[in-house]
Amino acid sequence: DAGITQSPRHKVTETGTPVTLRCHQTENHRYMYWYRQDPGHGLRLIHYSYGVKDTDKGEVSDGYSVSRSKTEDFLLTLESATSSQTSVYFCASWTNSGELFFGEGSRLTVL
Amino acid sequence: AQRVTQPEKLLSVFKGAPVELKCNYSYSGSPELFWYVQYSRQRLQLLLRHISRESIKGFTADLNKGETSFHLKKPFAQEEDSAMYYCALWVYGNKLVFGAGTILRVKS
Repeated sequence: DAGITQSPRHKVTETGTPVTLRCHQTENHRYMYWYRQDPGHGLRLIHYSYGVKDTDKGEVSDGYSVSRSKTEDFLLTLESATSSQTSVYFCASWTNSGELFFGEGSRLTVL
Repeated sequence: AQRVTQPEKLLSVFKGAPVELKCNYSYSGSPELFWYVQYSRQRLQLLLRHISRESIKGFTADLNKGETSFHLKKPFAQEEDSAMYYCALWVYGNKLVFGAGTILRVKS
């Protein structure tokens, strides 16, 4: 199985503060993704990356930015957190067997 | 438009009863579909995909292109099947589009 770790796993912050979530994978997978999970909406793609320094927007990218300076790390940044960004965030990578492998999730609460 | 619809937010069945979780999709290309499962407080994990035609944990799903459906079925539900189930569609650019999910509750 691919190894994906997310940090932090839980975070509480205040409106207007910047937040960075980190995703680290050890399998040298090219494609990586950030999704948010919300009741009634399922998982929605925020941003994804198809290589180092190659990223693109997903369906709910407003208010988020990403960076990928190394194959193994994919960072998600909320420049100025809002309460609507309270969610569970999942990182994933596309494995060599053609499936998405997910991290354990990061629960973010914006007060 | 690329879309996955799971019409049921919650499906509650008794242990031993048959289960069918519905999934419909909209995609102009040749569809590749997946079912993912999330047990309580765990990461999402792949349950099955249509191209492999496997039966995992007793679950099966058949792609019906005429009805644009990929329903997940199991003949006899078990309590350990209680989880959130997501149907997902592969789209160009190596992305998965997910449905809203269905919570399956299996009652004893």
